[in-house]
Amino acid sequence: AQSVTQLGSHVSVSEGALVLLRCNYSSSVPPYLFWYVQYPNQGLQLLLKYTSAATLVKGINGFEAEFKKSETSFHLTKPSAHMSDAAEYFCAVSVTPNSGYSTLTFGKGTMLLVSP
Amino acid sequence: GAGVSQSPRYKVAKRGQDVALRCDPISGHVSLFWYQQALGQGPEFLTYFQNEAQLDKSGLPSDRFFAERPEGSVSTLKIQRTQQEDSAVYLCASSLGLFGADTQYFGPGTRLTVL
Repeated sequence: AQSVTQLGSHVSVSEGALVLLRCNYSSSVPPYLFWYVQYPNQGLQLLLKYTSAATLVKGINGFEAEFKKSETSFHLTKPSAHMSDAAEYFCAVSVTPNSGYSTLTFGKGTMLLVSP
Repeated sequence: GAGVSQSPRYKVAKRGQDVALRCDPISGHVSLFWYQQALGQGPEFLTYFQNEAQLDKSGLPSDRFFAERPEGSVSTLKIQRTQQEDSAVYLCASSLGLFGADTQYFGPGTRLTVL
């Protein structure tokens, strides 16, 4: 079975500072990895996904993540935080078993707080 | 057809009442998922449909939870005899295909409060 661990339930940064949200996964087969963002009272919006092509994945709103198999990590970064980045971020893993379909397993989420 | 829509957005039920939550996926999407998100937690998988077939219901917490997608499009999640522990946001997602790399598109969710 797969699992996801997100280190830090809350991360605080100043506007303009580097954003780093940590995600480690566990999977017995090659995984697909996703980062989603959730704004208050809204559903989840996909930021980016890793599907075994390039290990450095660029997403929307200036976010990117690097897949590191040796570290089983998929950390999310953004060089310069904006106030509008304040939201909750979820890392998720998906594997496709022999049954031919897959579901997402999510981490518990990290709330990003951005101060002026 | 923009994205995935869900209704109602908010539902308050008295303990013991039955509730029905609706999901309209993106047109043409084969796969439909239901997730439950408790306060302060990540979403947890409930059940999966491939067209009208319910292929996985391993995440349904009890036999009080029932889901259907009779024509392979709209889906309904029904909870019978609601309990306080059922209070959560219920998220619906759809994806075009079947595979792990496919993006799941989420609706805004239904926030269920059981009093």
